[in-house]
Amino acid sequence: DARVTQTPRHKVTEMGQEVTMRCQPILGHNTVFWYRQTMMQGLELLAYFRNRAPLDDSGMPKDRFSAEMPDATLATLKIQPSEPRDSAVYFCASGPRTENSPLHFGNGTRLTVT
Amino acid sequence: DQQVKQNSPSLSVQEGRISILNCDYTNSMFDYFLWYKKYPAEGPTFLISISSIKDKNEDGRFTVFLNKSAKHLSLHIVPSQPGDSAVYFCASYSALASLDGSSNTGKLIFGQGTTLQVKP
Repeated sequence: DARVTQTPRHKVTEMGQEVTMRCQPILGHNTVFWYRQTMMQGLELLAYFRNRAPLDDSGMPKDRFSAEMPDATLATLKIQPSEPRDSAVYFCASGPRTENSPLHFGNGTRLTVT
Repeated sequence: DQQVKQNSPSLSVQEGRISILNCDYTNSMFDYFLWYKKYPAEGPTFLISISSIKDKNEDGRFTVFLNKSAKHLSLHIVPSQPGDSAVYFCASYSALASLDGSSNTGKLIFGQGTTLQVKP
């Protein structure tokens, strides 16, 4: 059963530190999304890629967040420097090259910035 | 600007009864709608979807209704079971806005979620 894999599952760090979250999309999927879950906003879209090219990152704070896909098997979301307000659960999802097929989500990275 | 809204943060129903979860959207370009279910410490999982060319889609105990004129969709669960207790997210996207010849998987926008509790 193919799955989206996210690492780490939990991360606790101090304010000002760099945080890198990783995602391995399902093999063959050509779209990758990064979402952040907060109580107020629900699932907030941060960025998404198609065929490894960034299509939209308008949801990300540009000064501190960056998202990349160095290859088809790895997507990264980096926060530098991290702040307490970044504390949330970050989800990665991937989608297949099939019309109207749903996204498959990983189990998330729970980030706590103290 | 919240393009997809779930105005009820929580809902509690008795086992065996109907659960109705509601969702409103503002973007008239949206033409595909989905519901996801999320358990604690897990990622959301796909539940059911509907295209804008339909007004109803049914899958077992789950039915999604779409009212395009009102920009409203709802998820009905009948009968509700304790295992249905979870957070439910509605999501929408515009397939037309994402055409590039390779995939129609578009920019999926989610609502805030509704926590459903089904009591035994």
